[in-house]
Amino acid sequence: AQSVTQLGSHVSVSEGALVLLRCNYSSSVPPYLFWYVQYPNQGLQLLLKYTTGATLVKGINGFEAEFKKSETSFHLTKPSAHMSDAAEYFCAVEGGNTPLVFGKGTRLSVIA
Amino acid sequence: EAGVAQSPRYKIIEKRQSVAFWCNPISGHATLYWYQQILGQGPKLLIQFQNNGVVDDSQLPKDRFSAERLKGVDSTLKIQPAKLEDSAVYLCASSPRTGRQETQYFGPGTRLLVL
Repeated sequence: AQSVTQLGSHVSVSEGALVLLRCNYSSSVPPYLFWYVQYPNQGLQLLLKYTTGATLVKGINGFEAEFKKSETSFHLTKPSAHMSDAAEYFCAVEGGNTPLVFGKGTRLSVIA
Repeated sequence: EAGVAQSPRYKIIEKRQSVAFWCNPISGHATLYWYQQILGQGPKLLIQFQNNGVVDDSQLPKDRFSAERLKGVDSTLKIQPAKLEDSAVYLCASSPRTGRQETQYFGPGTRLLVL
């Protein structure tokens, strides 16, 4: 069975600082990995996904994530935080015939 | 392109009452999902449709929850009778087809409060 652990339910960064949101997964088969963002009172929106190929994946709004099989990680980063990045971020894994499994989410706050 | 539409956006009911949620997916999307998102947790899949057939309903509490997707387009999710623990946001999503690596497009959700 697949599972996702997001370290830190709440992360706070200063505007312009590096954003690092951590995600570790467990999967019995080669996983597909996703990061979704949820703004207040809105649905989830795909930021980026890893399927196969290049392990460094670039997404929208300047975010990127690196798939590290040896560490079973898929951490999300952005070099410089913007106020508009404040939101809830969800890591998700899909593998085999199982449906998408989401982590509990990390709330990102950006301080001016 | 219009996104996934859901209604109502908010609903407050008393326990043991019934409630229904409606979802209209993106035009042409064959696959439709219903998720339950309890406060402080990630979304959990309740049911997945491929056109008007059920692909996965293993996590749907079938004693009280039901869902249908008539004509392979709109879908309704019903809870009867509701319990306090059903208080959550119910998210509908759609994707062009079923399969791994498919991007799911989410609606804004229906926030349910059961008193």
